[in-house]
Amino acid sequence: QSVLTQPPSVSAAPGQKVTISCSGSGSNIANNFVSWYQHVPGTAPKLLIYDDDHRPSGIPDRFSGSKSGTSATLGITGLQTGDEADYYCGTWDTSMKNCVFGSGTKLTVL
Amino acid sequence: EMQLLESGGGLVQPGGSLRLSCVGSGFTFSSYAMHWVRQAPGKGLEWVSSIGGAGVSTDYADSVRGRFTISRDNSKKTLYLQMNSLRAEDTAVYYCAKDRDIIVAVAHGIDSWGQGTLLTVSS
Repeated sequence: QSVLTQPPSVSAAPGQKVTISCSGSGSNIANNFVSWYQHVPGTAPKLLIYDDDHRPSGIPDRFSGSKSGTSATLGITGLQTGDEADYYCGTWDTSMKNCVFGSGTKLTVL
Repeated sequence: EMQLLESGGGLVQPGGSLRLSCVGSGFTFSSYAMHWVRQAPGKGLEWVSSIGGAGVSTDYADSVRGRFTISRDNSKKTLYLQMNSLRAEDTAVYYCAKDRDIIVAVAHGIDSWGQGTLLTVSS
């Protein structure tokens, strides 16, 4: 069981918006930066968001990140079929002295 | 372009050992912390181990501590994962990954991943 909790799945129609939540605690999300990753099974994961709300070069502004207290959120607007993937949050846990990933959320674009 | 190329996966019997390697290119290898992350069949991503850029600081998930050893040779731009006392539950695709910082605990994110190498532990 992951220390970061995400909904198992979310879905929305093409062109719509979706948000994915990541719930943690004071030893991880509240006091450390959060990153978000997109993973299409069989391929290398991709960094979407780092330092809570920053996008690497090449990541479209349809992807956004935010954080409040012990929770973080990934937002995706203008959904495309190519966005179908598994999405993971990640951070450092100060108590465990571990990197931690969320449980993962499968996005379906209907 | 940053690239990471893993090798060394395969089929191993329970209790056996194996060493994974990962060669980095397109970046100053010694300036960044590195990770091993795995994904078991049907499961999510699981962080396994990390090592700082200088190779001094290491961290392990509880599930592998005492059995796995992470190391790096910066002169060869290569990351290693020595895996001993392997169990069926270690079966997974193992990804080599590059941190955005030289230190892992600042949690600046992982910005480059290899394609993964499959380890199967089975008799």
